[in-house]
Amino acid sequence: GESVGLHLPTLSVQEGDNSIINCAYSNSASDYFIWYKQESGKGPQFIIDIRSNMDKRQGQRVTVLLNKTVKHLSLQIAATQPGDSAVYFCAEISNFGNEKLTFGTGTRLTIIP
Amino acid sequence: DGGITQSPKYLFRKEGQNVTLSCEQNLNHDAMYWYRQDPGQGLRLIYYSQIVNDFQKGDIAEGYSVSREKKESFPLTVTSAQKNPTAFYLCASTDPRGGTGELFFGEGSRLTVL
Repeated sequence: GESVGLHLPTLSVQEGDNSIINCAYSNSASDYFIWYKQESGKGPQFIIDIRSNMDKRQGQRVTVLLNKTVKHLSLQIAATQPGDSAVYFCAEISNFGNEKLTFGTGTRLTIIP
Repeated sequence: DGGITQSPKYLFRKEGQNVTLSCEQNLNHDAMYWYRQDPGQGLRLIYYSQIVNDFQKGDIAEGYSVSREKKESFPLTVTSAQKNPTAFYLCASTDPRGGTGELFFGEGSRLTVL
């Protein structure tokens, strides 16, 4: 079946530095991607999304890049803060309107003070 | 405040017992979902419902059952047939007409089977 995977399970970044979390997907028909943040013991929270007709989207301190050629997306977090420590998931929808998200394994981001 | 409420937050049960996890939303969302999360893993879809009185199996539906009698409610029953029920269960909802695929999640229910 289709899958969404992450390159690195853990990432440690010095506070104030930028972080980049990567995600690979296998379904070339995927047309919508979302990044979620999950803090310990809580439900995931939406961070940012991007449609397949875009290659970059920026939010507050976050940027998502999409490379459809190699089926890869990344989440960049600028000037990391302790509150950014969490597990980050990418998710994809291959049939927008079906709303059936496929989630990756997740990357645990730890911000070092 | 609008949101999704899951209960209970923690639940302990003996092996062989059925348990029902509650999920209520006041977001007026048509679609609701149940996911299972195991330690160090991503979310796996158990069941989803796109409209009242209708639901579909997800990727790991065996040993689980759901109902969708009301728009606001989507309870999940973990039956004794589920071989490894200890996990973190997440309920989510979305408005398919909202223009995004964003899922709104509850805070989760952690089930431990002793």
